[in-house]
Amino acid sequence: KNQVEQSPQSLIILEGKNCTLQCNYTVSPFSNLRWYKQDTGRGPVSLTIMTFSENTKSNGRYTATLDADTKQSSLHITASQLSDSASYICVVSAWNSGNTPLVFGKGTRLSVIA
Amino acid sequence: KAGVTQTPRYLIKTRGQQVTLSCSPISGHRSVSWYQQTPGQGLQFLFEYFSETQRNKGNFPGRFSGRQFSNSRSEMNVSTLELGDSALYLCASSLDGESNQPQHFGDGTRLSIL
Repeated sequence: KNQVEQSPQSLIILEGKNCTLQCNYTVSPFSNLRWYKQDTGRGPVSLTIMTFSENTKSNGRYTATLDADTKQSSLHITASQLSDSASYICVVSAWNSGNTPLVFGKGTRLSVIA
Repeated sequence: KAGVTQTPRYLIKTRGQQVTLSCSPISGHRSVSWYQQTPGQGLQFLFEYFSETQRNKGNFPGRFSGRQFSNSRSEMNVSTLELGDSALYLCASSLDGESNQPQHFGDGTRLSIL
């Protein structure tokens, strides 16, 4: 069964600190992996998309890594800001997946406090 | 460039009623996907439309239906509403739905069933 598991479920960090969010998946055959940021009351916004051949991609203070062998990804946030408080969702896309082209994790809720 | 627009933003209905939600994609985007987001289940795929045709469908009952117009705008209809249909309904558009393209989400319609 295609699944995406994220950890931790929630996280509280101090402003200025770094943090890393984890994503493990069992989606096959793998096409790409995406990280989204969702602010409260808003739709998700794409942070990164990585294909099988990419093992790291950055978007400002956000850096995503991908290990396709172990089927793991991480999202590292550097020098966190209050505006980073949001849910971060890991999404995996499968080739020829029939009725479910994208498999979503349930997200990690990040709170950055002053 | 205007983003994905969903209307209405909030809606309150009672059990047994039906509802229609609207989504206007980014100009030039021809693929529109719909998702249901609840706290317990996260984001779940409903269906995807491309060139006025339903191309993919998730595992939702037939009470959930949709359509796409020639200008790529899409509507989603839910009939015989149940309490469990209370959720945030998100629409996302992309150029042509290819798996390596980012999806751009609207801010959703918050549907509450009383």
